[in-house]
Amino acid sequence: QVQLVQSGGEVKKPGASVKVSCKASGYTFTSFGITWVRQAPGQGLEWMGWIAGYNTNAHYAQKFQGRVAMTTDISTTTAYMELRSLRSDDTAVYFCARGSGYELLDYWGQGTLVTVSS
Amino acid sequence: EIVLTQSPGTLSLSPGERASLSCRASQSMSGSSLAWYQQRAGQAPRLLMYGPSSRPSGIPDRFSGSASGADFTLTISRLEPEDFAVYYCHQFGSSPPTFGQGTKVEIK
Repeated sequence: QVQLVQSGGEVKKPGASVKVSCKASGYTFTSFGITWVRQAPGQGLEWMGWIAGYNTNAHYAQKFQGRVAMTTDISTTTAYMELRSLRSDDTAVYFCARGSGYELLDYWGQGTLVTVSS
Repeated sequence: EIVLTQSPGTLSLSPGERASLSCRASQSMSGSSLAWYQQRAGQAPRLLMYGPSSRPSGIPDRFSGSASGADFTLTISRLEPEDFAVYYCHQFGSSPPTFGQGTKVEIK
């Protein structure tokens, strides 16, 4: 069965970086993209960007351009999302989901809480 | 970008009642590029409906979807206790993909 298992919660100080992982299993990793979505406390879903499973081609929401990097490791079928220069308003649960920017998101990771606090 | 406006923000209903959730797009779009997700408290979103009236396997047939122009509707024919959750629509036909702000279905 398809599974996306994310890394554990993180606490970071403002200005730091965080890297969240998303380990995929149960399907051919290179056949699907991975999308990252975040959800601030009590808020809705915010699309951050996506990366193709078969190469390094990533597409980011304008809001995060220059501050986010999405990568994949095909050998371990793991996707990563790194967010730099963290601010308090980056405190959120970060989800990975299977699907590209042109597709529905049919499987989701369990989410990773990133807390930014001094 | 396409803005999706969901209404109402909150729907207060009793188990067994019918729920009708709306998602309106700011510009014309294909229904084949719209999906609905259910998010229960403390959980990740789950794909509920797509295309706009197709259900993934395992989704009960009390859930249905429809489209009329730029208006999309998710209907729950008879609410079960596990249906009380937040529902989001999502368009992926135009870049960037966007989500509606969500409709919370709560127990009255």
